Amino acid sequence: NAGVTQTPKFQVLKTGQSMTLQCAQDMNHNSMYWYRQDPGMGLRLIYYSASEGTTDKGEVPNGYNVSRLNKREFSLRLESAAPSQTSVYFCASSPHPPGQGAQLEQYFGPGTRLTVT
Amino acid sequence: KNEVEQSPQNLTAQEGEFITINCRYSVGISALHWLQQHPGGGIVSLFMLSSGKKKHGRLIATINIQEKHSSLHITASHPRDSAVYICAVAEETSGSRLTFGEGTQLTVNP
Repeated sequence: NAGVTQTPKFQVLKTGQSMTLQCAQDMNHNSMYWYRQDPGMGLRLIYYSASEGTTDKGEVPNGYNVSRLNKREFSLRLESAAPSQTSVYFCASSPHPPGQGAQLEQYFGPGTRLTVT
Repeated sequence: KNEVEQSPQNLTAQEGEFITINCRYSVGISALHWLQQHPGGGIVSLFMLSSGKKKHGRLIATINIQEKHSSLHITASHPRDSAVYICAVAEETSGSRLTFGEGTQLTVNP
């Protein structure tokens, strides 16, 4: 099993460009998450999907859209990239739905380092 | 003020030392998670706990729900333990929200 995979690993964008970060998991998990990690701050939740076909906003959703294409894949799209979106992005999945702490059992992808100039 | 605060932010130790990393939180939680982030960036789960103590190899995690405090201990530390250690909590009142600490950068020198 590959676990959680993310592509690309690195990306440099110019302000205003768009791109999609891809995430896939092969563990048959229901829940999937997108986080960003910035220096001096903890991981912050951008969007999550409790099951195929559903998505919900997290703590910092502005400037992003997501698609839960199927049970395996959860993509994050930046429509018009801004320098404030320079960050490391992590995708994670969980066998448990959000709630009652069970979603803490999360498996993380290797991350995508995005720089917006 | 962060809802989850870790201390210290940075920690340097000599190989073999006993290490403690602390996590204090200000909200009611249903569970707490310790994660390890390797220098290459990958994040792995170490422990999930909602009470008491858990041990895995040289790692021990404890939690005191009344005091809103958790500790991660590493016995007989080794340079390969060098990583960022992250505490995360699942808030009782928010089914979806997880709150992460900033992390503690641990460096173990040979």
